Amino acid sequence: SQTIHQWPATLVQPVGSPLSLECTVEGTSNPNLYWYRQAAGRGLQLLFYSVGIGQISSEVPQNLSASRPQDRQFILSSKKLLLSDSGFYLCAWSLSGTGEAFFGQGTRLTVV
Amino acid sequence: GDSVTQMEGPVTLSEEAFLTINCTYTATGYPSLFWYVQYPGEGLQLLLKATKADDKGSNKGFEATYRKETTSFHLEKGSVQVSDSAVYFCALMDSSYKLIFGSGTRLLVRP
Repeated sequence: SQTIHQWPATLVQPVGSPLSLECTVEGTSNPNLYWYRQAAGRGLQLLFYSVGIGQISSEVPQNLSASRPQDRQFILSSKKLLLSDSGFYLCAWSLSGTGEAFFGQGTRLTVV
Repeated sequence: GDSVTQMEGPVTLSEEAFLTINCTYTATGYPSLFWYVQYPGEGLQLLLKATKADDKGSNKGFEATYRKETTSFHLEKGSVQVSDSAVYFCALMDSSYKLIFGSGTRLLVRP
């Protein structure tokens, strides 16, 4: 069966420090991969998505970047965190043709 | 660009009441449409989906019909239960596999 791993679960980082959040999927190949940010009381904001290795679509210009170095690995990064980067980050995957997305457990990032 | 708009919550109903949560979308082409649900303390999970116009998705007593003419995908249930209390998200996936969500609607069902 397919599983998605996202880590860490919580993270406290100082302003100006770098960020690396990792997401991996097991049990499937060539998934579509997504990074979202969920603000309290608000919906999911799509940050990046990828339909293949090295293919990244950015939806919101901001202080973050994403990379897909391997088929089932999706990384969210920042060189210098801002206070406004605080939030709940979710990774998800789907298979082309089905549309159903499966979510990781999320990372609570607090920038102090 | 593509977008999903859903009614703001919270929606508070008594048990066995009829539920409607409105969702409209803007997209080029013919996206697939979804409703996801997030129960308290849990992650998002798919509730139902429809992939083309006039399709009806259904699951756990919930239904939604893909209406191309009104660009809508309203969620309905004839008789809600306390266990239906959750946050409901409408979503669309376009032909490039971009998956975007509405802002979510919190449903609270009172016994």
